[in-house]
Amino acid sequence: GIQVEQSPPDLILQEGANSTLRCNFSDSVNNLQWFHQNPWGQLINLFYIPSGTKQNGRLSATTVATERYSLLYISSSQTTDSGVYFCAVITQGGSEKLVFGKGTKLTVNP
Amino acid sequence: NAGVTQTPKFRILKIGQSMTLQCAQDMNHNYMYWYRQDPGMGLKLIYYSVGAGITDKGEVPNGYNVSRSTTEDFPLRLELAAPSQTSVYFCASSSGLPGGDTEAFFGQGTRLTVV
Repeated sequence: GIQVEQSPPDLILQEGANSTLRCNFSDSVNNLQWFHQNPWGQLINLFYIPSGTKQNGRLSATTVATERYSLLYISSSQTTDSGVYFCAVITQGGSEKLVFGKGTKLTVNP
Repeated sequence: NAGVTQTPKFRILKIGQSMTLQCAQDMNHNYMYWYRQDPGMGLKLIYYSVGAGITDKGEVPNGYNVSRSTTEDFPLRLELAAPSQTSVYFCASSSGLPGGDTEAFFGQGTRLTVV
């Protein structure tokens, strides 16, 4: 099955810093999503981005489907950005499984 | 719209007991999924369904059963609960329309402890 790899596994930042999280996937995808799991365990949809670039406030994401990766950019990080960021994909042509990467744990210190 | 609703939010089971985790969505989505998340880990797919009457196994189906008799509901059944099933369970749904948007939405989770 498809492999979804996220990097880095852990990231510690000072408030105000910028960061880039990466998601690599091993097969062509129909769907790619970024989620934020907050410290209370809630999964929050950030981006639905099978290809192209989207922005939402301080967050933006880019997926280069032909090269099988996606990037999540967080600018001017805040303590409320802390949590785990997951990338999830559905492969093209068959299985409808939504497969998750192992996540990047982000800690933003004041 | 309520989105994806999971019940209960918390449950403690004794070893060997059974229970059903409920999941309902009001978005008329075709696809529904069950995941488990162990502490500090990612989400593992238990079962999924692409429409009423159709279910398939995910990565970790052992010890669980599902049914999908309606588009709205996708209950997860635990038979003979074991401590290894202590986890947080998430249900999700997406439209699954051919050639369309397949964005998935998650419920708030059920925290299950087996003692």
